[in-house]
Amino acid sequence: EPEVTQTPSHQVTQMGQEVILRCVPISNHLYFYWYRQILGQKVEFLVSFYNNEISEKSEIFDDQFSVERPDGSNFTLKIRSTKLEDSAMYFCASSKTGTGGGTDTQYFGPGTRLTVL
Amino acid sequence: AQTVTQSQPEMSVQEAETVTLSCTYDTSESNYYLFWYKQPPSRQMILVIRQEAYKQQNATENRFSVNFQKAAKSFSLKISDSQLGDTAMYFCAFRTNAGNMLTFGGGTRLMVKP
Repeated sequence: EPEVTQTPSHQVTQMGQEVILRCVPISNHLYFYWYRQILGQKVEFLVSFYNNEISEKSEIFDDQFSVERPDGSNFTLKIRSTKLEDSAMYFCASSKTGTGGGTDTQYFGPGTRLTVL
Repeated sequence: AQTVTQSQPEMSVQEAETVTLSCTYDTSESNYYLFWYKQPPSRQMILVIRQEAYKQQNATENRFSVNFQKAAKSFSLKISDSQLGDTAMYFCAFRTNAGNMLTFGGGTRLMVKP
């Protein structure tokens, strides 16, 4: 069964550095998402992406974050200048459609653990 | 804004027995979707079951079923004949009909004991 994959599984960076988290969504999916989970807290929505543009974003997704689909298979999350509080597990997800009909189920990747020192 | 609450941080059940995980939510929307996701120790979240709010019939998927009480804004998950492989974190999630954002509860860690 097709799966969402994410690389790296663990990323350690220094505060102020830029990081890029990578995701390969399921191949016939059109909607892509990023969520994060700070240790001990809820999974939180960051952003959704469709047709090469952001369709929805949360308050967390401020100017230091950006997303991109640089080619036909990858979906990336960039954090420009990392802060200590960005340390979290970042999950990528994809769905075939946006809403309704059962094909809108979001399939999650295994996550990238980001540690900011 | 929507909120999802899971009041049981941890639960345990003996293998082959039945367990029910609780979830309540708060919304002013009338059309929405509810989900239960399972996150095993390997950390990949997997959809267990979904429920459309407009459907009165409770969703079932093999050993998993829900008790959806729309007026009470309650969405519990029942796992029958619990198996060791059911050991995982279980998240309840909500999505409106208009958007794609999932709002998650805090999760319930379920341990199935042999």
